[in-house]
Amino acid sequence: QVQLQESGPGLVRPSQTLSLSCTVSGDPITDKHYYWSWIRQRPDKGLEWIANFYYSGNSHYNPSLKSRVTISGDTSKNQFTLKLSSVTAADTAVYFCARAIFSGTTMVVAGMWFDPWGQGALVTVST
Amino acid sequence: EIVLTQSPGTLSLSPGDRATLSCRASQSVSGNYLAWYQQKPGQAPRLLISEASNRATGIPDRFSGSGSGRDFTLTISRLEPEDFAMFYCQQYGSSPQITFGQGTRLDIK
Repeated sequence: QVQLQESGPGLVRPSQTLSLSCTVSGDPITDKHYYWSWIRQRPDKGLEWIANFYYSGNSHYNPSLKSRVTISGDTSKNQFTLKLSSVTAADTAVYFCARAIFSGTTMVVAGMWFDPWGQGALVTVST
Repeated sequence: EIVLTQSPGTLSLSPGDRATLSCRASQSVSGNYLAWYQQKPGQAPRLLISEASNRATGIPDRFSGSGSGRDFTLTISRLEPEDFAMFYCQQYGSSPQITFGQGTRLDIK
């Protein structure tokens, strides 16, 4: 059974870089059948996709966040990491990691959905 | 970017009722790659339906999805007490651009 667990600081100062890791158990992040993703949920708001990571290096980013986001993986730890730079209060959210199931090919993805999800990590941006 | 609009915003029903939740896309969803999730307070979303109508592993058959193009529906045939939650639809578009609807809250009447 695949499980994902987010970890990282719960408080980040404005203008700093938010960094979160997702540790995966039960499935290697090198599994060719999956991407690995970050999704966030701001207070009392819906869900916002942030980025996808594929072990061979093919990553996808939400255009609205792309200039500030880096996603990477560490196969030795079976983890993938999100970095979001220049944060403001608007980045305060619960951050989820998830396994992304896709159709098509790794280079030409036709469809994608998320299962399972980690429990989520609340990150507050504040002084 | 494809915008997903869910309706109604809140649905108040009783256990045993049938629930019908709608998700309308601003343009056609390619390949009908539309998914539905359930989220309970303090929990992560759970995948219910992928590719518009495929139930995820372990999801009871009272949950069903339908639709194509721009209009999609999640139906819960007979509500159980544990079904009351928030529901989100999600689509995958080229580039890629992945978007979620704003959600429908299913409340106990």
